[in-house]
Amino acid sequence: AQKVTQAQTEISVVEKEDVTLDCVYETRDTTYYLFWYKQPPSGELVFLIRRNSFDEQNEISGRYSWNFQKSTSSFNFTITASQVVDSAVYFCALSENTGNQFYFGTGTSLTVIP
Amino acid sequence: DAGVIQSPRHEVTEMGQEVTLRCKPISGHDYLFWYRQTMMRGLELLIYFNNNVPIDDSGMPEDRFSAKMPNASFSTLKIQPSEPRDSAVYFCASSFGLADSPLHFGNGTRLTVT
Repeated sequence: AQKVTQAQTEISVVEKEDVTLDCVYETRDTTYYLFWYKQPPSGELVFLIRRNSFDEQNEISGRYSWNFQKSTSSFNFTITASQVVDSAVYFCALSENTGNQFYFGTGTSLTVIP
Repeated sequence: DAGVIQSPRHEVTEMGQEVTLRCKPISGHDYLFWYRQTMMRGLELLIYFNNNVPIDDSGMPEDRFSAKMPNASFSTLKIQPSEPRDSAVYFCASSFGLADSPLHFGNGTRLTVT
């Protein structure tokens, strides 16, 4: 079974629209960590945010915000007023305190159309 | 901080040749990971080291792949002999810890085996 599911394979939005990227995870650990990474067309993987399982507060960083809900095992990522530079593949990842690796989702390819 | 440094950025080689990919982790990070990214399989963990010692190499596809970390500032991933199906982007990443620390990725090496 997939530990991290990103059901949206591709999303296209017009510039300035808001967009939410979904991430659903699966774990039996009580302590775990969730991450989002951005992979722009240039190919590098850029760390965006880390959340631990005990902190359900939503986080906002500029136009980016993250909604962590343990009740639905989701860690969704919203970009407000999207820009062309937001075009990238976004990966959600999970690591478990008892485990030894990151579990990456399959990624969501976001295209922001000018 | 220079970040994780990988070389070369691109490698094109013929089937049967030996390929060596190089990585310099972020200073002070005690974990180093090698990942492979393909369209079909996404991001796959190949091997990771802790304090220069290989901990889990269960992701290494076969004996043609080997990885070493002779010191805290250098690691290599070697493929010998290379095959066309090894064509992928290979990422090196480092981190302070295992579960709770984000991975910091290098820019990757795009390998093409003809």
